[in-house]
Amino acid sequence: GAGVSQSPSNKVTEKGKDVELRCDPISGHTALYWYRQSLGQGLEFLIYFQGNSAPDKSGLPSDRFSAERTGGSVSTLTIQRTQQEDSAVYLCASRLGQSSYNEQFFGPGTRLTVL
Amino acid sequence: AQSVTQPDIHITVSEGASLELRCNYSYGATPYLFWYVQSPGQGLQLLLKYFSGDTLVQGIKGFEAEFKRSQSSFNLRKPSVHWSDAAEYFCAVAPANQAGTALIFGKGTTLSVSS
Repeated sequence: GAGVSQSPSNKVTEKGKDVELRCDPISGHTALYWYRQSLGQGLEFLIYFQGNSAPDKSGLPSDRFSAERTGGSVSTLTIQRTQQEDSAVYLCASRLGQSSYNEQFFGPGTRLTVL
Repeated sequence: AQSVTQPDIHITVSEGASLELRCNYSYGATPYLFWYVQSPGQGLQLLLKYFSGDTLVQGIKGFEAEFKRSQSSFNLRKPSVHWSDAAEYFCAVAPANQAGTALIFGKGTTLSVSS
């Protein structure tokens, strides 16, 4: 079956430009997470969507970062006015249901490079 | 604050030798515990998880982990390493009985396998 997919796989942009990263979760998964993986760092939580509830945005590092999830499925992470420190791998994960014990399934990530 | 520590940034093990990757966590109560593996260019794959009960849990690919409450540890082990095990390994925690909370990850341990 299809897993979590992300696009693009690689994105190179210039400082100051806006970028959009896309995540297609596993069908039927109500929970969707975005994480950021910087070089030498672990995964840093960014934002969490659960069904139709208001998203948990507590991990977003600045107001340049935003995300939406349309129709409870596809999600887009938008970074405005990109900075060099935004360079990282952005990972999306989806999960069935609300229990934190349920496995999060991760996509392959989008590698963002800001020049 | 909740945190996960993986003391070893990089470990090299000979093929066929045993492996132990260390993980310590700081949490108010016993959380859910996870080990994920990330191969180059791939998303994260769940190796095993601990909820409660038997403190020795078995996972995929021949891995196991032991939860030690007194040491706040959840170390990952494998009796005989294969070259294909070379990857980055992440320990993660999530609060038990708290729906929807994101995983908190350690910074990872890179495993190299020598022949």
